[in-house]
Amino acid sequence: GAVVSQHPSWVICKSGTSVKIECRSLDFQATTMFWYRQFPKQSLMLMATSNEGSKATYEQGVEKDKFLINHASLTLSTLTVTSAHPEDSSFYICSGDGTSLFNTQYFGPGTRLTVL
Amino acid sequence: KQEVTQIPAALSVPEGENLVLNCSFTDSAIYNLQWFRQDPGKGLTSLLLIQSSQREQTSGRLNASLDKSSGRSTLYIAASQPGDSATYLCAVIGSSGGSNYKLTFGKGTLLTVNP
Repeated sequence: GAVVSQHPSWVICKSGTSVKIECRSLDFQATTMFWYRQFPKQSLMLMATSNEGSKATYEQGVEKDKFLINHASLTLSTLTVTSAHPEDSSFYICSGDGTSLFNTQYFGPGTRLTVL
Repeated sequence: KQEVTQIPAALSVPEGENLVLNCSFTDSAIYNLQWFRQDPGKGLTSLLLIQSSQREQTSGRLNASLDKSSGRSTLYIAASQPGDSATYLCAVIGSSGGSNYKLTFGKGTLLTVNP
């Protein structure tokens, strides 16, 4: 149980285009979903926390107008990278809050974004 | 601001060896600490979660300890196998304000177990 999927698993796009990444909790309801970014040989950095039905909370230094997050249902959150540039190329991972007593997050398999 | 450091950054050992991975964090006000495994280009697999009130957790050949007051955790892997080769990430779970919480990750230790 507690499976999170992401789509697409990888995407290549041209600079200036927008890319949408979906994160779905398949067998549980995620009141809270998290989006992380991981650059090569770096740790996962939290980008934003989103609660279903409300606006996302962005971490310091993350542009909310560039990384649009929508969490419209308890099983789906989307991250849209608007006007992507090569420096946005990264590995994006989402997670869903399993609402256990131990603050356990269940992670998706990640999406590799390459911006040419 | 919470900072998590993992030492060593990389480790290469022969098969069968016991090994220890280290994690330290600067703010001891944490809820839990969690160890993950990440294979190249993949997502995260949770290995062990230690609640702040606990001292250790065990799962098979893995044992994780937590010394919250000193801001340290170790992951002990017994009788290592080539299949254990991966990046091991330590993450502390703390408050992000209000009722929210967040995970702060270390950069990981890249483990290679040679046959």
